[in-house]
Amino acid sequence: EAGVAQSPRYKIIEKRQSVAFWCNPISGHATLYWYQQILGQGPKLLIQFQNNGVVDDSQLPKDRFSAERLKGVDSTLKIQPAKLEDSAVYLCASSAGLAVQETQYFGPGTRLLVL
Amino acid sequence: SQKIEQNSEALNIQEGKTATLTCNYTNYSPAYLQWYRQDPGRGPVFLLLIRENEKEKRKERLKVTFDTTLKQSLFHITASQPADSATYLCALGDSSYKLIFGSGTRLLVRP
Repeated sequence: EAGVAQSPRYKIIEKRQSVAFWCNPISGHATLYWYQQILGQGPKLLIQFQNNGVVDDSQLPKDRFSAERLKGVDSTLKIQPAKLEDSAVYLCASSAGLAVQETQYFGPGTRLLVL
Repeated sequence: SQKIEQNSEALNIQEGKTATLTCNYTNYSPAYLQWYRQDPGRGPVFLLLIRENEKEKRKERLKVTFDTTLKQSLFHITASQPADSATYLCALGDSSYKLIFGSGTRLLVRP
């Protein structure tokens, strides 16, 4: 079974530029998550989708971050414009459903450096 | 606000010994708790889940305890091996489907 795929793996941009990340979840998984992991910290949930609807985006900085999951499969996360404090690893995860005990499967992450 | 504490200092132990990692939380009543392993440059990998009404869970060399009175979970790796060296994250969840992660504890197992 293929895991969660993410691209690119690394990205370096200057502040005020735009960047987009892509995620392909495990086939058949209805729930998709985007996390931000700053160095030395645990992952922090940015947004959660159930199929192509948003379940939780309470911690997404909506003035600069946006995410979509068209057709309930792949997802993109965009930052526009980027700030220095956005430097982090952006992790995508998926789970089969929305049960409270669902195991989340994580991708390798995209490491973003904002200069 | 909700707070999860894991020892920020690395745990350094000798191969064959038991590693014990701690996860404490405040201002939260989780319905379940999960432990994940994260290697450098990779995403977290799920290890174990324990529910609020369970005291202990085991899987091979791993054991997790969950004390809702003390607001603490202990994660044990018995007969530790150098390959167990990694960062271990605890994550708490409730009926809102959202997981809140701790900052993780780095484990180093010396041969």
